[in-house]
Amino acid sequence: EADIYQTPRYLVIGTGKKITLECSQTMGHDKMYWYQQDPGMELHLIHYSYGVNSTEKGDLSSESTVSRIRTEHFPLTLESARPSHTSQYLCASSESDRIYGYTFGSGTRLTVV
Amino acid sequence: KNQVEQSPQSLIILEGKNCTLQCNYTVSPFSNLRWYKQDTGRGPVSLTIMTFSENTKSNGRYTATLDADTKQSSLHITASQLSDSASYICVVSDRGSTLGRLYFGRGTQLTVWP
Repeated sequence: EADIYQTPRYLVIGTGKKITLECSQTMGHDKMYWYQQDPGMELHLIHYSYGVNSTEKGDLSSESTVSRIRTEHFPLTLESARPSHTSQYLCASSESDRIYGYTFGSGTRLTVV
Repeated sequence: KNQVEQSPQSLIILEGKNCTLQCNYTVSPFSNLRWYKQDTGRGPVSLTIMTFSENTKSNGRYTATLDADTKQSSLHITASQLSDSASYICVVSDRGSTLGRLYFGRGTQLTVWP
């Protein structure tokens, strides 16, 4: 049973719409992450958070924004979706010990038409 | 240049056969290496995690090896099943930052045929 949940699983939306991808975890992990993954390609870190009120941009530049108001919740927002945002978005969380406890959600497949 | 390279890019085997997937990395300083299984349209699921001092670790029919000197790892799958069809991703973590940055390979796409 997954302890990290992403919704929606699939989303098809028109250009210019505002969208929020939800991510919640029940493990009490301090660190949370958002990755972007295109088919056949490696995961790229776009945002991460050390804890409440802490957010940082990752390696891959992204027009999305994130917030961390509660430990368990790490939503990602696109103010104006474009076709170039079409991708799979994966949320993950980890314990403070960076060796263990890295868990991924099932992902959100976003298609912008 | 990606610091984690996996081979082969894709592999097709018959059910019941064994296979070995390769991972070479240049990440330094090294902290740990993980193998993940990712089913199509799903998030990666951890199979094994190995630190510098470990050179083999098993999880059921999956056995991972690590040679930290040559910076190579392999994932051996024994008696493959149809459900093994997935992408297998090698992930290396460094210890140069408090974040413990992860470096991802592009994965090997394994297809098991009946």
